[in-house]
Amino acid sequence: GAVVSQHPSRVICKSGTSVKIECRSLDFQATTMFWYRQFPKQSLMLMATSNEGSKATYEQGVEKDKFLINHASLTLSTLTVTSAHPEDSSFYICSAPPPVHKGGAQYFGPGTRLTVL
Amino acid sequence: AQTVTQSQPEMSVQEAETVTLSCTYDTSESDYYLFWYKQPPSRQMILVIRQEAYKQQNATENRFSVNFQKAAKSFSLKISDSQLGDAAMYFCAYRTNAGNNRKLIWGLGTSLAVNP
Repeated sequence: GAVVSQHPSRVICKSGTSVKIECRSLDFQATTMFWYRQFPKQSLMLMATSNEGSKATYEQGVEKDKFLINHASLTLSTLTVTSAHPEDSSFYICSAPPPVHKGGAQYFGPGTRLTVL
Repeated sequence: AQTVTQSQPEMSVQEAETVTLSCTYDTSESDYYLFWYKQPPSRQMILVIRQEAYKQQNATENRFSVNFQKAAKSFSLKISDSQLGDAAMYFCAYRTNAGNNRKLIWGLGTSLAVNP
């Protein structure tokens, strides 16, 4: 089955620093990837849609300059949390729909737990 | 805009018993997909089952089956012979099949506990 990886799985950083999270589709090409944020015991909140070769589409209320997304290739999207603050601490998840998708499903990375001190 | 509602924040079931998780949705579209995803304590999202709206037959995957009522906009998940490993958050999700929009619309989730 389709596999999506994320790196790192956990990251702890100091306030004011930037953190990059990578999302890779391992056995398929993904022209689109999605970035989510999830707080404990809550649902997934879509942050942005990452588009290969073009700008990301951000959801309302998500700061573009804060959460930089780059879809560098058909298998890699990155999310950079710039000037991170404690309120950015969260669980970040990426997903990708395979191009020849079976029934429209998305496949999810294992997530990245970000802690900002 | 489409919405997905899961009215049961928490459910519990005895091991080997059957449990049904509810999901309703609102849409004016006729062609779409519905999904149930499972998120265990590891937090890895796992696709449990999918349903295509134009298929009348309810989807089944081993111990998991759905009751898809298109007119009522209802999409419940039945877990039979519940196992301890079924304990997780379960999310219902909707995706249009119109155009290139692949976003998932999520319910708030149901936390399922399985009692030994």
